[in-house]
Amino acid sequence: DAGVIQSPRHEVTEMGQEVTLRCKPISGHNSLFWYRQTMMRGLELLIYFNNNVPIDDSGMPEDRFSAKMPNASFSTLKIQPSEPRDSAVYFCASSIVGLTKELFFGSGTQLSVL
Amino acid sequence: EDQVTQSPEALRLQEGESSSLNCSYTVSGLRGLFWYRQDPGKGPEFLFTLYSAGEEKEKERLKATLTKKESFLHITAPKPEDSATYLCAVQARQAGTALIFGKGTTLSVSS
Repeated sequence: DAGVIQSPRHEVTEMGQEVTLRCKPISGHNSLFWYRQTMMRGLELLIYFNNNVPIDDSGMPEDRFSAKMPNASFSTLKIQPSEPRDSAVYFCASSIVGLTKELFFGSGTQLSVL
Repeated sequence: EDQVTQSPEALRLQEGESSSLNCSYTVSGLRGLFWYRQDPGKGPEFLFTLYSAGEEKEKERLKATLTKKESFLHITAPKPEDSATYLCAVQARQAGTALIFGKGTTLSVSS
């Protein structure tokens, strides 16, 4: 299995632009998580889905952030408009719902908003 | 509020110098405690899951232990390739399957 696949690996954009991050979870996993990592705050949960349904989006910073999971093999995290304080590494992770199982992480997207 | 605190933030060891990393947690019912390793530029990689106080898990030079309030990651005779950031996370019963992470301990092992 190729693991969790995220794209792009790096994204540099200007303030005010729309940014879309993409994630393909591991086949057979039905929980998907978006985390953000910064030096100051560490790994923060933004949102997670079970069986393509958003369960908890309380970590989404504000309305500029939105996430979708149209099917079991694809999810997007969109920031519109982007701001410099959104600069961070965004990780997608997947797991199996209902079990105390470890999360499998992708390699992350390094986002820089200038 | 569920919370995870790791200490120290950074640790420098000489090769062969054993030590321990601490993870203190406050959670409304622990479903599981997880240890991850993260190398620069990569996503966290799973190491261990502990479920109940008194449990221990081992993998090569690493051993994880769990009490009702904290977990330790013991590193015995570390090698330079053990250099990484070690993250602790808890899964609370109320949070479902989401993990809450500490900020990590960055370990540097020099030869």
